[in-house]
Amino acid sequence: DAKTTQPTSMDCAEGRAANLPCNHSTISGNEYVYWYRQIHSQGPQYIIHGLKNNETNEMASLIITEDRKSSTLILPHATLRDTAVYYCIVRPSYGNNRLAFGKGNQVVVIP
Amino acid sequence: AAGVIQSPRHLIKEKRETATLKCYPIPRHDTVYWYQQGPGQDPQFLISFYEKMQSDKGSIPDRFSAQQFSDYHSELNMSSLELGDSALYFCASSLGLSRGNANSPLHFGNGTRLTVT
Repeated sequence: DAKTTQPTSMDCAEGRAANLPCNHSTISGNEYVYWYRQIHSQGPQYIIHGLKNNETNEMASLIITEDRKSSTLILPHATLRDTAVYYCIVRPSYGNNRLAFGKGNQVVVIP
Repeated sequence: AAGVIQSPRHLIKEKRETATLKCYPIPRHDTVYWYQQGPGQDPQFLISFYEKMQSDKGSIPDRFSAQQFSDYHSELNMSSLELGDSALYFCASSLGLSRGNANSPLHFGNGTRLTVT
């Protein structure tokens, strides 16, 4: 399985856009990039996913580089409730369909 | 919208006892996944079921077993409990693994916190 690399932690200013990077240099053509977050021992929450095109939903935007080796999750206007551990996960589109969580990025939104 | 329901929310057991955790997926979701998250750890995949058949197996101890029933709910059975089994156990559900739904996101419940004393 392709693995991802994220910062261990980062701070973001409340009301500003938060840009969360992720490297997945060994991603293969049939693997999607997924983003989840976990707020203090609650169940992981789905945010967004994409294959190669940029995606946007009500929560966030996902920007995937053309070579697909990295991506950025953008929270447009960070709030204190966005403080969480964010996970960038590469998931095969068929076969082994599990989500494999690695080390996430502890994001703290600061007032 | 309906979410994944897990029960119980909290469970306290003694060593060597057994425990059963239940998971009710989102309506029309036919695939369920179980994860274990120890203190300070990231969620680890245990096992998954699609249409009542085991579809994938991760780092699930032999003392644990699981099944999915005809109404798609799932149960995780844990025997000979050890102190190290104390953890949060999450269930997730998604649409099936057929090609058209190959990338249906997993949606997680809020977990069962198991404490073994």
